[in-house]
Amino acid sequence: GDSVTQMEGPVTLSEEAFLTINCTYTATGYPSLFWYVQYPGEGLQLLLKATKADDKGSNKGFEATYRKETTSFHLEKGSVQVSDSAVYFCATATSGYSTLTFGKGTMLLVSP
Amino acid sequence: DAGVTQSPTHLIKTRGQQVTLRCSPKSGHDTVSWYQQALGQGPQFIFQYYEEEERQRGNFPDRFSGHQFPNYSSELNVNALLLGDSALYLCASSSLGTGTENEKLFFGSGTQLSVL
Repeated sequence: GDSVTQMEGPVTLSEEAFLTINCTYTATGYPSLFWYVQYPGEGLQLLLKATKADDKGSNKGFEATYRKETTSFHLEKGSVQVSDSAVYFCATATSGYSTLTFGKGTMLLVSP
Repeated sequence: DAGVTQSPTHLIKTRGQQVTLRCSPKSGHDTVSWYQQALGQGPQFIFQYYEEEERQRGNFPDRFSGHQFPNYSSELNVNALLLGDSALYLCASSSLGTGTENEKLFFGSGTQLSVL
């Protein structure tokens, strides 16, 4: 079955620093790829997605590009804010967007 | 418009007991999926309900069962609880029937189950 590997956290950054969270996957066929964010005490929220190779998903200053050749979907943001502090999950879906396979999550802590 | 609502928010049970968790999907959604999120882990897919039938199932034992009602709400039942069942249980809704599963999956805030 599918599997997702994310870099371990926590990732600790100062405000306005550049963010990269690495994600690689194994999947059968051609999965869709997602980044979800979980703020403390809240449910998961979709941050961005990409459905085919070379697609770039973007939202709220975050970006990730679907790299089929390296089976990767790294999350980036040019300038993080304190409000970006949360846990970020990379996920794949090969049989509909409802049945996702998640990585273990990466906690991001941004200090002023 | 209420999003996905789950009840209760917290629950404490002892080993061997049975538990029922409840979920109401976002308005307009007809499909409910359940996920288990153990501490420090990503969510794991348990099963999905559509048209009151279990449509897909993840790698979970038969102790985990569910139900979907005509109003699309859903229950997750876990029998013979084990310590390892302690986790955050997340419900997510989407629209299969309208052919718009491309819409994003909406998650509830979850039910935190502690098994002592």
